[in-house]
Amino acid sequence: LAKTTQPISMDSYEGQEVNITCSHNNIATNDYITWYQQFPSQGPRFIIQGYKTKVTNEVASLFIPADRKSSTLSLPRVSLSDTAVYYCLVGGMNYGGSQGNLIFGKGTKLSVKP
Amino acid sequence: GAGVSQSPRYKVAKRGQDVALRCDPISGHVSLFWYQQALGQGPEFLTYFQNEAQLDKSGLPSDRFFAERPEGSVSTLKIQRTQQEDSAVYLCASSPAGQDARYEQYFGPGTRLTVT
Repeated sequence: LAKTTQPISMDSYEGQEVNITCSHNNIATNDYITWYQQFPSQGPRFIIQGYKTKVTNEVASLFIPADRKSSTLSLPRVSLSDTAVYYCLVGGMNYGGSQGNLIFGKGTKLSVKP
Repeated sequence: GAGVSQSPRYKVAKRGQDVALRCDPISGHVSLFWYQQALGQGPEFLTYFQNEAQLDKSGLPSDRFFAERPEGSVSTLKIQRTQQEDSAVYLCASSPAGQDARYEQYFGPGTRLTVT
């Protein structure tokens, strides 16, 4: 199973753009890259997913280079309410093992200050 | 619409007691997952159901952990003879897809279990 590495914590200020980079050197051909967000006392929430190049939705952008060995979650103009833990995951369909399971690491704790 | 709900939200058990944690998934979702989240860690997979069939229980830490989903909707995670190391938040998630990390999972708020 592909593993991910991301910074343990990051600090930012309101209105800034935040970029969180995740390394996944052993990503498999059929794996997708997914980011989840978790607030205290809540379950994780899906933010964005991509396979290659760039994906953008109303919440964030995801940049994936051609080799797919890393990815960067970009949060534009963060606010205090973006303070949360962000998880980078890689995975795909289950081909008989547990490849289809979500494998969470420790995530990146983002603190947004006023 | 209603999301995934879990009950109770908090449970305190004395060591050795049995506990049962309930999960109500989003109506119509085929897949149901249970996770364990220790303090300061990310969620860890416990088990997976597709409808009423438990297809993957590779993450269950011991035979004291048992999960069921008899009618393919509500699921119960049971922990027998609780130990202090069982203290964690137990998360349930559901998905309209199968055991496939490419599809979004919808998580409940979790049940915080404290074993004293």
